[in-house]
Amino acid sequence: EPEVTQTPSHQVTQMGQEVILRCVPISNHLYFYWYRQILGQKVEFLVSFYNNEISEKSEIFDDQFSVERPDGSNFTLKIRSTKLEDSAMYFCASNTPGRQPQHFGDGTRLSIL
Amino acid sequence: GENVEQHPSTLSVQEGDSAVIKCTYSDSASNYFPWYKQELGKGPQLIIDIRSNVGEKKDQRIAVTLNKTAKHFSLHITETQPEDSAVYFCAASNLRNTGNQFYFGTGTSLTVIP
Repeated sequence: EPEVTQTPSHQVTQMGQEVILRCVPISNHLYFYWYRQILGQKVEFLVSFYNNEISEKSEIFDDQFSVERPDGSNFTLKIRSTKLEDSAMYFCASNTPGRQPQHFGDGTRLSIL
Repeated sequence: GENVEQHPSTLSVQEGDSAVIKCTYSDSASNYFPWYKQELGKGPQLIIDIRSNVGEKKDQRIAVTLNKTAKHFSLHITETQPEDSAVYFCAASNLRNTGNQFYFGTGTSLTVIP
């Protein structure tokens, strides 16, 4: 069964550094999402992306965050200047328009030192 | 925006018993309610979902019920097995919104005792 794949599985970064999290959505999916999960808390929506533009973003997704689909297969989340509170699991998800569910990857654990 | 509450936060049952997890939502426009299972070190995996035009859905040992009037929905797992042990998340979404975001509950850590 096709899967959403995320790399790296664990990223350790110094505070203030830029980080890029990478996702390969399922190949025929056209909607892409990023969610985050701070340890022990609920999964929170960050952003949805369709047709090469952001469809919706939460208040968490401020100017430090950006998303990109640089080619036909990858979907990336960039955090420009990381803060300690950015430490979390980041999940990528995808689905086809009008069809559910969203399929999630196994996440990238981001640790900010 | 939507607010999803989930109870209990932890649940322990004996193998073979049933487990019930309950969620409430606030936005009457929500029309899609998935349940995800998250095992340690993995991403959420869908186990069952229900749309607002249906009151109940069953898939083998798993069932979900939805009460739109009361704005609550529940996950029922019967004949629980140790491999059912995981964290379960409910979510709500309005599929009419272009952003299509999911609002998740806080999760229930289910332990099935052999």
